[in-house]
Amino acid sequence: DARVTQTPRHKVTEMGQEVTMRCQPILGHNTVFWYRQTMMQGLELLAYFRNRAPLDDSGMPKDRFSAEMPDATLATLKIQPSEPRDSAVYFCASGFSGGYTDTQYFGPGTRLTVL
Amino acid sequence: GESVGLHLPTLSVQEGDNSIINCAYSNSASDYFIWYKQESGKGPQFIIDIRSNMDKRQGQRVTVLLNKTVKHLSLQIAATQPGDSAVYFCAESYYGKLTFGQGTILTVHP
Repeated sequence: DARVTQTPRHKVTEMGQEVTMRCQPILGHNTVFWYRQTMMQGLELLAYFRNRAPLDDSGMPKDRFSAEMPDATLATLKIQPSEPRDSAVYFCASGFSGGYTDTQYFGPGTRLTVL
Repeated sequence: GESVGLHLPTLSVQEGDNSIINCAYSNSASDYFIWYKQESGKGPQFIIDIRSNMDKRQGQRVTVLLNKTVKHLSLQIAATQPGDSAVYFCAESYYGKLTFGQGTILTVHP
């Protein structure tokens, strides 16, 4: 049963600390997305990769957030320094671009709390 | 102070009833649409999809209807069960990027 995995599932940290979230996309998928979900804003797209290349990170605060794909099996989202307003659930999703559909499959999320 | 957040539409139904969840999308050029279900503490889960060249698609107990004239999408769930209780999101796709609706809370009473 192929699925997207994310680590850690929960993270509590103090303001100013660096936070790294990791995602393993489904094997064979060539697109990876990072989303943030809050009660205020709903689901927001932060960054988007295709074939490991960043295509769109316009939704991401560039001064503190960075997203990378060191290899096809790992995507990372870093926040440095973290702030209380970054508290949210961060989802990674993967899909296959070039096929019939653009369906994205979501991981279980990382719940981040910044104190 | 009082917190302000999204006020999600809600739908309450009795077990066994049919449910209809509606969604308005914004981009007339969107070519693909998806319905997701999100249970508490979990990520959105794919339910059913439809391409813009179709107006209806059926799955197991679910049907999606697409009306491009008024940019409206609906999800019909037949014989709704307590396990269907969740937040349901529609998403529109344009060049592979999804834009999500705000979601609808479905509550199924036994």
